Amino acid sequence: EVQLVESGGGLVQPGGSLRLSCAASGFTFSRYWMSWIRQAPGKGLEWLANIKQDGSDMYYVDSVKGRFTISRDNAKNSLYLQMSSLRAEDTAVYYCASMTHSSGWYAFDYWGQGTPVTVSS
Amino acid sequence: QSALTQPASVSGSPGQSITISCTGTSSDVGGYNYVSWYQQHPGKAPKFMIYDVSNRPSGVSNRFSGSKSGNTASLTISGLQAEDEADYYCSSYTSSGIYVFGTGTKVTVL
Repeated sequence: EVQLVESGGGLVQPGGSLRLSCAASGFTFSRYWMSWIRQAPGKGLEWLANIKQDGSDMYYVDSVKGRFTISRDNAKNSLYLQMSSLRAEDTAVYYCASMTHSSGWYAFDYWGQGTPVTVSS
Repeated sequence: QSALTQPASVSGSPGQSITISCTGTSSDVGGYNYVSWYQQHPGKAPKFMIYDVSNRPSGVSNRFSGSKSGNTASLTISGLQAEDEADYYCSSYTSSGIYVFGTGTKVTVL
């Protein structure tokens, strides 16, 4: 059974940093692109970033470019999101999602339960 | 990259069919057959429903179907059931190599 479990969320002050983790199991993590997606309270989904199988290529949405960094450790079956210069508008539930052959490679087939991040003083 | 445009809400009676539209541009929806759809119940993670415009993953009811014409993709739910009441989001790959989601549609079963 595929499982994605996010962790690392919490309360952080504006301008602060936070590192989110996503532990993957039940599939061959190293074979697939992975993404981070967030959802602000009462709002829609926002795709943030994705990373290639070997970590050699990444893409970001403009709103987080230069502030967030996606990375992965295939030996640990883990995905990360390093977030810095956090703003109130970054308050959201953050999801990791896989992009496997089951989704045709260009969709998000498995999702974690999400980890909440609150940016507030 | 702007969010894809979806109607804020769509409603229907049990047994009826409804269609949710997802409008983008030639740089996303119109340029690629990489439109996907997600269902989200309150407080839950999104569930993957459709990929590559019209393909259903294993386990998704055949009451859900997708299509595309030009810059607009659509999700149709036939034989509407109470459990279909949820928020629905489309997503598309874009010419920038990034992804964009739709604004979301709340489906109400009357």
